[in-house]
Amino acid sequence: EAGVTQFPSHSVIEKGQTVTLRCDPISGHDNLYWYRRVMGKEIKFLLHFVKESKQDESGMPNNRFLAERTGGTYSTLKVQPAELEDSGVYFCASSLGQGASQETQYFGPGTRLLVL
Amino acid sequence: GIQVEQSPPDLILQEGANSTLRCNFSDSVNNLQWFHQNPWGQLINLFYIPSGTKQNGRLSATTVATERYSLLYISSSQTTDSGVYFCAVEPYSGAGSYQLTFGKGTKLSVIP
Repeated sequence: EAGVTQFPSHSVIEKGQTVTLRCDPISGHDNLYWYRRVMGKEIKFLLHFVKESKQDESGMPNNRFLAERTGGTYSTLKVQPAELEDSGVYFCASSLGQGASQETQYFGPGTRLLVL
Repeated sequence: GIQVEQSPPDLILQEGANSTLRCNFSDSVNNLQWFHQNPWGQLINLFYIPSGTKQNGRLSATTVATERYSLLYISSSQTTDSGVYFCAVEPYSGAGSYQLTFGKGTKLSVIP
């Protein structure tokens, strides 16, 4: 069974440009999460989808970030316009979703974003 | 919010040695996971262990939920064990948010 996949693996863009990251969760997983690790900081939660609905977006830093999960399958995270402080590694995770919180979250390999 | 502290921050071991990594957390948790971030940056699940003890090969973990700590044991370490080990917890709440809070990690270097 395929794990969580993310695309692209790396992205280098200039300040002010737009970047869209994609995450494909493990097949059948209702819960999808975005996290990020910016330089020198801990891995931080961004948001959580249950199927196509945003369950918790308390970690989204500002309105330059837009996450979608149309149809409840893959998700995209768009940063527009990108700023220097957005550089870091963006992780996606998924979990099965049984109505309880006691589930393992499986992480993807991450997208390394560098904003110049 | 919940605080997660990992110790030690850095650890250097000779191949074949044993080690214990610690994770302290400041509040009750629903979920606790240990991850290994390999040199390529991938986060590999090691254990889902909100309480109790689990073993997987040379690795084992114990979480004492009532005392708010978890330990990861690595026996007979190998160079492939090198990387950063993260502890992450989901605070206990009825809010329906499953967000994990990560510690800063323990960087392990196993030398031949």
